[in-house]
Amino acid sequence: QSALTQPASVSGSPGQSITISCSGTSSDVGSYNLVSWYQQHPGKAPKLIIYEVNKRPSGVSNRFSGSQSDNTASLTISGLQAEDEADYYCCSYAGGSTIFVFGTGTKVTVL
Amino acid sequence: EVQLVESGGGLVQPGGSLRLSCAASGFTFSSSAMSWVRQAPGKGLEWVSTVSGSGMSTYYADSVKGRFTVSRDNSKHTVYLQMNSLRDDDTAEYYCATGLQDYGDLAYWGQGTLVTVSA
Repeated sequence: QSALTQPASVSGSPGQSITISCSGTSSDVGSYNLVSWYQQHPGKAPKLIIYEVNKRPSGVSNRFSGSQSDNTASLTISGLQAEDEADYYCCSYAGGSTIFVFGTGTKVTVL
Repeated sequence: EVQLVESGGGLVQPGGSLRLSCAASGFTFSSSAMSWVRQAPGKGLEWVSTVSGSGMSTYYADSVKGRFTVSRDNSKHTVYLQMNSLRDDDTAEYYCATGLQDYGDLAYWGQGTLVTVSA
């Protein structure tokens, strides 16, 4: 099972919106509505920010939103803030004997 | 409040073994699948293994299959990762995690335990 493909880095100015793509296959992203997104600050454990493609856990800002089209999922951060500077990972259920497959990770920089 | 606390990490020589533990509290442990995810220094997240709530079903990444064994003791609210035949590329922070639903997400994470494989 290969890792899902994300851009290595994305940047934006405060207040802007950015979108991170997550490209998978018909065996993972495209087969299940079970894409999740994680935010990780340096030295910290990952934090779930989106699950089931577009749902936000309690307490997560509504500036984070998710979507999916065919084999590609996307995370949009609107109203970019300095605290959003972090690494972001997508993840999909992959079925069979592979439960989860993670994306390659995207470093978000707030200019 | 959900809490996951890993322990057991440390320095081990190539070819050696180590057992990680993850003590859980704050949720119905026996009904929840538990997973291990690792992160090599400066690298991305990699799913390692998942065990079902009953312990009857286990799943492994190809990179650890045949070397790692996941298990759980529901009476102790603890999940384990037995790691054998360790290699340099197993060096990583190991996190245990569980989700809002089985196999769909990883909503809760421990703080991680560092495993270093080196001669």
